Amino acid sequence: DAKTTQPTSMDCAEGRAANLPCNHSTISGNEYVYWYRQIHSQGPQYIIHGLKNNETNEMASLIITEDRKSSTLILPHATLRDTAVYYCIVRAYGGATNKLIFGTGTLLAVQP
Amino acid sequence: GAGVSQSPSNKVTEKGKDVELRCDPISGHTALYWYRQSLGQGLEFLIYFQGNSAPDKSGLPSDRFSAERTGGSVSTLTIQRTQQEDSAVYLCASSLARGADNEKLFFGSGTQLSVL
Repeated sequence: DAKTTQPTSMDCAEGRAANLPCNHSTISGNEYVYWYRQIHSQGPQYIIHGLKNNETNEMASLIITEDRKSSTLILPHATLRDTAVYYCIVRAYGGATNKLIFGTGTLLAVQP
Repeated sequence: GAGVSQSPSNKVTEKGKDVELRCDPISGHTALYWYRQSLGQGLEFLIYFQGNSAPDKSGLPSDRFSAERTGGSVSTLTIQRTQQEDSAVYLCASSLARGADNEKLFFGSGTQLSVL
C-alpha cells in the first residue's frame, strides 16, 4: 500500500473550516483514500473514503486532486469535539493484504 | 450489541503472567483486526482475520502473542509471559469487508493492559 505524508499538527478556530492535507504521491490506480480520526482515549472512527471523485457525507468532505497524488479532508464548521488525531490511509481493496496501516496522523487542535 | 465490544476494559497483571483479551465484533462482520497502541504512539497492526481464510499474523511482535477467532465471530488475543513493554491499549475492529464501501472499520473502546 502507498505511503502517506501528513503534517504533524494543525490548529483551527472553532466554527471555521478545518482543511487537513495528505500527500500520497505513490498511490496506485486501485487504491482508495480513507480518513479516520481518533479522539483522545477512544478507538479510531471512520470518517470518509474515496477513489477519485470528491466525496461528502454528514461528517466531512474529501477532495482528491485530479492526479490523485494528494487529498484534503474538510471539516466545514469545526467544533471543540473535533479535536483529534486524523489519519489518512491509502489502501487497495482486494489486494494481497487487507490490513489497514495507520501512520502518525495529524493532531488537529480546535481552539475556542 | 450495536458496536464492537472488548473485555476487560482494564487489565493489570504481573510480569510473566499470561493474559487473554476478548473481542466481540459487530454481528455479520466477517473481518476482524487487532491493533495495539502504546502511550503517545500510533496504532500498530497485529493480526487480521477474514472469514475462513488463514489469518494475516504479520504484525504479531513475538511468538508470545497469538490470537484465534472461533466460529467466525468472537476473537481472543493471548499474550504469554507478559513483559512490561506489552503495556498498551489493545484495540479490536471489525468490518463487513464486502466491497470498498463496506471496508469501514468499526473499533471497540480497547483494553488497557498494564504489566507491572
